[in-house]
Parts: sequence; C-alpha cells; structure tokens
Amino acid sequence: GENVEQHPSTLSVQEGDSAVIKCTYSDSASNYFPWYKQELGKRPQLIIDIRSNVGEKKDQRIAVTLNKTAKHFSLHITETQPEDSAVYFCAASIESGANSKLTFGKGITLSVRP
Amino acid sequence: GAVVSQHPSWVICKSGTSVKIECRSLDFQATTMFWYRQFPKQSLMLMATSNEGSKATYEQGVEKDKFLINHASLTLSTLTVTSAHPEDSSFYICSASGTVSYNEQFFGPGTRLTVL
Repeated sequence: GENVEQHPSTLSVQEGDSAVIKCTYSDSASNYFPWYKQELGKRPQLIIDIRSNVGEKKDQRIAVTLNKTAKHFSLHITETQPEDSAVYFCAASIESGANSKLTFGKGITLSVRP
Repeated sequence: GAVVSQHPSWVICKSGTSVKIECRSLDFQATTMFWYRQFPKQSLMLMATSNEGSKATYEQGVEKDKFLINHASLTLSTLTVTSAHPEDSSFYICSASGTVSYNEQFFGPGTRLTVL
C-alpha cells in the first residue's frame, strides 16, 4: 500500500519568513495530494491540493509543488503569520471517486514566532 | 456547503460499556464515509470505509466486532465502540464524500472518547 513520509516533525520560523514542508510517497499510482491544517482538538481543514497532471498550484500565500519523478511534494507558506501555527498533514490518494482513500503523513507542527 | 457534523463532541464512559458516535452530512449525500482514529500528537489512521447500504471495509488490524459501523442512509453513519477499554480512548473523526465533489473528503469535528 501507499506510504507517505513527512519531514521534519517540527518546524519553527520567524513571523514573516517562509516555511517549506516536504512529503514523499511510495505508490507511483497516487495522483491526488491534499494538504490539511489541523488546530488542536479541531477537524483537519483542506488548505490546498494538487493533482498529478500539474507541477505547481498557488493560492495566495500557500503553494504546493509536485515532482512525480522523485515522488515528492512540498507545501510552501510565504509571509508566515502566528495564526499559521498548527499541525500540517500531507496525504496521498489514487483518485477513484467517493471511495478514494487517503494515506496521511505523520504531520508536522509548525510554530510561527511573533 | 459540504458540512459534516459529529455527535457527541466528547464522551466519557466506564470501561466495558459501549459508545455510539454519529456522523452526519448536513447538506449533501454521502455515498462514502470514512472513520479515523487519532491518538495525541499522531496522524489520522483510517479505521474503515463505509458505503451506504453496504458492509464497512475495515483496515488491517482494526477489529470489526469491536468497532461496529453502520451506514444506513446517505446522510448518517454510526461508529459503535463496543466494550470500550482505556486504550480505546482517542479522537475519532469521520469524513464523508459523495455528490458534492469528485473525491474530496469533508471532515467532521471529531469526538473525544475517554474510557475510565
């Protein structure tokens, strides 16, 4: 089955700096890669996703890049703010409609220092 | 749109009792619902996938007789933790997918289960 690795497990940045979180996946058939933000005790929230037919996607301060050859994808957050502090999970899936199962990485705790 | 609710948001029970958690899609038809378990400072681990009107498919290592899943309608799935023990204490999160998006899962707010 799919295996998603996420490194590092913690990341601390100064407010205003950029943060980059990397994930690798094992199954070359995976073609959908969402990123979730989870605050303590809350539900995961989808912040951005990318499909394997594109290499990069951007939404305001957040961007995701995908390297299919190397089987890794990264989340980029620019101009970080304290409210960006949370746990971020990457995931991978083979799109097959409503039954598509997500395999999550272990998560990274991002701390943005004011 | 695409709102998923869970009830209760937290529950405390005694060891040996059973607990039922409900997951509802409020504004769309959820053909598939997923149940996850999340231990403190860990990732979401998929427990099972359920399709409306069918038996749930459990992930390897998840006891189907202990974690009973029912998906009787397109808007409701339930997870019953039978004979709960302290090691079952966790954050249980459901997600739903269906008519509103091709494959995006919409997550419920989670249920915090504490077994004494």
